[in-house]
Amino acid sequence: NAGVMQNPRHLVRRRGQEARLRCSPVKGHSHVYWYRQLPEEGLKFMVYLQKENIIDESGMPKERFSAEFPKEGPSILRIQQVVRGDSAAYFCASSLYTGELFFGEGSRLTVL
Amino acid sequence: GDSVTQMEGPVTLSEEAFLTINCTYTATGYPSLFWYVQYPGEGLQLLLKATKADDKGSNKGFEATYRKETTSFHLEKGSVQVSDSAVYFCALSDLLSSGSARQLTFGSGTQLTVLP
Repeated sequence: NAGVMQNPRHLVRRRGQEARLRCSPVKGHSHVYWYRQLPEEGLKFMVYLQKENIIDESGMPKERFSAEFPKEGPSILRIQQVVRGDSAAYFCASSLYTGELFFGEGSRLTVL
Repeated sequence: GDSVTQMEGPVTLSEEAFLTINCTYTATGYPSLFWYVQYPGEGLQLLLKATKADDKGSNKGFEATYRKETTSFHLEKGSVQVSDSAVYFCALSDLLSSGSARQLTFGSGTQLTVLP
């Protein structure tokens, strides 16, 4: 399966811990988007990255959240000092240029 | 900002029933409109899209028409199957605040269950 791969699929953290979510885009895609889905809500845009660059992070919370997409390896969404309100499904999508987005299966974060 | 409002679910239908899932939007400019589907345990998949007013998107028996006058993009299927059970998301494409690219604004999703 050459689709977008996200891991872990499920992650449980206690308040104050760090969460790291990984996303490997479709082979050859250099554009990555992260979305968050809170319970009973639609997906909300967080950040758009190209290799080694954050292009738009207008949807990212100002504190505790960061994202990267290094030259080699997957894109990482990092949440420091997690709180219960961070519990959500986090979806990654990739595209070849700025065309159709291909989504991963999501990573479900639960904060205890 | 731009937004998408979807018919609340869950929706439960018998096989071969007619399906409508309502979707309306508010947007500045002329967005493209999409329906995505998420089957259990899988990621979102593009089901169909329309890029301008009066366009009809269609795929796998599903259809939706871009209605600018009513700002709607309702999803329809004439005869649903058990395998259509999934969550359906309506979305529009708008520019990121940086102007660097387009991104998707989603509705909250509608869970469809089709019973045999």
